[in-house]
Amino acid sequence: NAGVTQTPKFQVLKTGQSMTLQCAQDMNHEYMSWYRQDPGMGLRLIHYSVGAGITDQGEVPNGYNVSRSTTEDFPLRLLSAAPSQTSVYFCASSYPDRGQGTEAFFGQGTRLTVV
Amino acid sequence: DAKTTQPPSMDCAEGRAANLPCNHSTISGNEYVYWYRQIHSQGPQYIIHGLKNNETNEMASLIITEDRKSSTLILPHATLRDTAVYYCIVRVVGSNYKLTFGKGTLLTVNP
Repeated sequence: NAGVTQTPKFQVLKTGQSMTLQCAQDMNHEYMSWYRQDPGMGLRLIHYSVGAGITDQGEVPNGYNVSRSTTEDFPLRLLSAAPSQTSVYFCASSYPDRGQGTEAFFGQGTRLTVV
Repeated sequence: DAKTTQPPSMDCAEGRAANLPCNHSTISGNEYVYWYRQIHSQGPQYIIHGLKNNETNEMASLIITEDRKSSTLILPHATLRDTAVYYCIVRVVGSNYKLTFGKGTLLTVNP
């Protein structure tokens, strides 16, 4: 049971390049989310999914696309990288909260630098 | 989700109890209080959550005031490994796909 796995761990991009950050979970969680964390700040929600085929925007969605074709995977695409997207990206997954409260499990992050 | 207020930093001696406060004065009846921590830029780690009652697990205790406007996370015997940023999060029941993180409290456990 690996939990939430993010790849790559580190990435350097040039401005204008595109790339996909991978996130996979093996806990059969319906909910998955992407967050970014800038220096000295808390995490901010980019996009989330409540099930395969269902995605929605979070607080800071501009410049990012997501899709959810399987329960296990939730990739995050940077369409045209900008220096403002330099950040640490975290993926999280959880079961739906059916009134008892559930915990979210986070990956170890992808550290992205755009030059 | 209701806004939370936490002190930016706290210190604690190793082996002593660490008491981390959180103010959430605008909390609604259908909102949980959650605590997560982040050790040295790793992914956040769940600690504990509660709705109305005090809660305890193997990691910590959560004390919620009767009016639910504030709470305290208690680490009973802090170790050096507990040095981390601790986030108090309030979220509506059913919305665990979106957590709103503030800046949290940096707890430093000193030898």
